[in-house]
Amino acid sequence: AQTVTQSQPEMSVQEAETVTLSCTYDTSESDYYLFWYKQPPSRQMILVIRQEAYKQQNATENRFSVNFQKAAKSFSLKISDSQLGDAAMYFCASVSGNQFYFGTGTSLTVIP
Amino acid sequence: ETGVTQSPTHLIKTRGQQVTLRCSSQSGHNTVSWYQQALGQGPQFIFQYYREEENGRGNFPPRFSGLQFPNYSSELNVNALELDDSALYLCASSHIDWTEAFFGQGTRLTVV
Repeated sequence: AQTVTQSQPEMSVQEAETVTLSCTYDTSESDYYLFWYKQPPSRQMILVIRQEAYKQQNATENRFSVNFQKAAKSFSLKISDSQLGDAAMYFCASVSGNQFYFGTGTSLTVIP
Repeated sequence: ETGVTQSPTHLIKTRGQQVTLRCSSQSGHNTVSWYQQALGQGPQFIFQYYREEENGRGNFPPRFSGLQFPNYSSELNVNALELDDSALYLCASSHIDWTEAFFGQGTRLTVV
């Protein structure tokens, strides 16, 4: 089994500033994927960014980027130019085989 | 917006009853997975269906069962409902190789 740890239950950021959400994972698999999902109060899990473990290059999607440190089993999410719409619960997840393993989430507040 | 839709969005059932939740998969995806998300927690894996066969199961009792249809849509059935089954139920539609994975908006089940 894999475990995913998000050590920051809550984070806040000023609008237009940058924030980094932390995630560590533990796996014995050599082939796996890592994801960040956003879950607003509407409940739907929205894909933010995806990273293949075999790729050294960090994934980037517009204002969202990751810092993937494979040896350290770390997968942090950086949100640049934070917007009010970024306020949500953020879940880090690893995938190997047939299932997601989710962390407990980080609640992000964006301060106007 | 993804093409993954779940129905119903909300449901209230009485302890001991049975419930069926439905999920339509994204076009082109052949895999559907179901997750249970208790309040304030990350989603927990129930099971996965791939090409109409169960392809892995989490730590849930047999009263949680499922189906996948030829069009890759899926059902989650829960028998003999218990109060602890109250949760948000999410389905995830994906390729088996996880190149894409999208969630539906969830079904909020309340057992009274």
